[in-house]
Amino acid sequence: GAVVSQHPSRVICKSGTSVKIECRSLDFQATTMFWYRQFPKQSLMLMATSNEGSKATYEQGVEKDKFLINHASLTLSTLTVTSAHPEDSSFYICSAREQGAGNSPLHFGNGTRLTVT
Amino acid sequence: DAKTTQPNSMESNEEEPVHLPCNHSTISGTDYIHWYRQLPSQGPEYVIHGLTSNVNNRMASLAIAEDRKSSTLILHRATLRDAAVYYCILRNNSGNTPLVFGKGTRLSVIA
Repeated sequence: GAVVSQHPSRVICKSGTSVKIECRSLDFQATTMFWYRQFPKQSLMLMATSNEGSKATYEQGVEKDKFLINHASLTLSTLTVTSAHPEDSSFYICSAREQGAGNSPLHFGNGTRLTVT
Repeated sequence: DAKTTQPNSMESNEEEPVHLPCNHSTISGTDYIHWYRQLPSQGPEYVIHGLTSNVNNRMASLAIAEDRKSSTLILHRATLRDAAVYYCILRNNSGNTPLVFGKGTRLSVIA
């Protein structure tokens, strides 16, 4: 079945540094990918919609200058957390749907656990 | 997306069937009913989806009420590996829309 690969699975960084998370669709093309974050004991919250070749669409309350999204190809979207702070520590998850696949399911990566010290 | 209501938690004995309910009284005619589950420390995993008719696949069955205002995810024989948070989500048929997650039902399976 369709696979979405997310890298790294776990990262620890110091406050003030930037971290890049990659999301790849391994066996299908995705014009649209979605980025979520999840705090402990809470549900997934949509952060932004990443569109190949154009600017991402951010949800209300998500700072676009802090969470930089680049969707340079049909199989790769990246999320960069800039100037990370401890409150950015969270579980970040990407998802994608196969291009032109109607109401087919979304496929999710296995998440990236970010810890900012 | 229309709202869904699920119990916060449920418990099941291993190897017994589990019926996970979901209410979606404001569902529209073009909304599909999707179920995903999230195992600890993993991304969500697709389980099943349907529009009007009951659906079966290798993971589960989905029973949809005739008026579509509720549905039930059925795990025929729960295993310890089925312990997860199960999300019932409505998604319209408009292509590239994200999934909007509610709180889901945390299923515990007892050996």
